[in-house]
Amino acid sequence: KQEVTQIPAALSVPEGENLVLNCSFTDSAIYNLQWFRQDPGKGLTSLLLIQSSQREQTSGRLNASLDKSSGRSTLYIAASQPGDSATYLCAVPNQAGTALIFGKGTTLSVSS
Amino acid sequence: DAGVIQSPRHEVTEMGQEVTLRCKPISGHNSLFWYRQTMMRGLELLIYFNNNVPIDDSGMPEDRFSAKMPNASFSTLKIQPSEPRDSAVYFCASSLTKDTEAFFGQGTRLTVV
Repeated sequence: KQEVTQIPAALSVPEGENLVLNCSFTDSAIYNLQWFRQDPGKGLTSLLLIQSSQREQTSGRLNASLDKSSGRSTLYIAASQPGDSATYLCAVPNQAGTALIFGKGTTLSVSS
Repeated sequence: DAGVIQSPRHEVTEMGQEVTLRCKPISGHNSLFWYRQTMMRGLELLIYFNNNVPIDDSGMPEDRFSAKMPNASFSTLKIQPSEPRDSAVYFCASSLTKDTEAFFGQGTRLTVV
């Protein structure tokens, strides 16, 4: 059964720092991985989708990498800003492709 | 497109009452998902529809929960009778196909007292 783990559970950094969020999954037979952002009391906003054939995907200050063989993905945030404060979730499809399996998320706080 | 639209945003109801949550997926998306989010268990799938047909309902907790998708632009999740342990945030999500990017609604925060 697929399990997704995100470490750390919480992270506090000063504005301007570059940071890395980690996601690991137990079953490497995935066809994509998706990173989301969730603000308190809000829904999930899709940030990046990486297909299994890709190694990286970039959007603005965000860069996500995927290493299927080791069961890991990282989300790199460059030059962090207070507006980046949120919970970041990674998710992979289940074996049947009928659902996303989510990690518990990393709650990021960026102070000005 | 306005994205995935859910209603109501908040619902407070008494134990034993029927609750209906609504979802309008993004136009043209063939896949629709209902998820539930709690502090203890995080986000978990309740049910998945493809082209309006329920494909995977393995996450539906018990017979008190039912979901329908009468057409491509509307889905409901019903809880009857509701219980305090059903209190959670319920999300609807849609995607073009099951393999593509999923887009989530703002969620319905349900409180059963």
